[in-house]
Amino acid sequence: GGIITQTPKFLIGQEGQKLTLKCQQNFNHDTMYWYRQDSGKGLRLIYYSITENDLQKGDLSEGYDASREKKSSFSLTVTSAQKNEMAVFLCASSIRDWGGEQYFGPGTRLTVL
Amino acid sequence: GDKVKQSPSALSLQEGTNSALRCNFSIAATTVQWFLQNPRGSLINLFYLVPGTKENGRLKSAFDSKESYSTLHIRDAQLEDSGTYFCAAEAPNTNKVVFGTGTRLQVLP
Repeated sequence: GGIITQTPKFLIGQEGQKLTLKCQQNFNHDTMYWYRQDSGKGLRLIYYSITENDLQKGDLSEGYDASREKKSSFSLTVTSAQKNEMAVFLCASSIRDWGGEQYFGPGTRLTVL
Repeated sequence: GDKVKQSPSALSLQEGTNSALRCNFSIAATTVQWFLQNPRGSLINLFYLVPGTKENGRLKSAFDSKESYSTLHIRDAQLEDSGTYFCAAEAPNTNKVVFGTGTRLQVLP
């Protein structure tokens, strides 16, 4: 088995601030993903990465940057926090570079003051 | 429009009863995943399916790729089954899955 950890669990930022969320997995999975979930809604893909140093845009990439520093870690940066950026950010990983079963971390809850 | 539609959007069940959730796809899904998001927000993997069926305890899931749908059957519902159920479909030749908008299930004592 393995685990995905996300830090921090809660993130409070100011409008206009640059904020970074981190994700680590020890499954040795190839692909990692960042999703955003707004209250009461489904998940929307922000970025994904199929290997170290690879980045692919999802449906919601505008306003975000991402970095796959190594196979086990994937960071997401909110480039300029907006008042409506109150959501949960979920990180996931999957075993192969062509999708596959995804496993999720516990999430980072972002609140912008 | 929505590529993955889930129905119903919300459901209340008495403890001990059975129900079925459904996912319809407008994409040529190759695999389907079902998740339960518990009240704490964690996504729990329930099933990962290629076309066919799987069963795990009181849960059973089927995926028919030709008819473009998947179902999740819950037998003898328990209070701990409450939460939001998501299906997610993997489209061919992509690295992405598309999530449905979820079915919010409440099991009542």
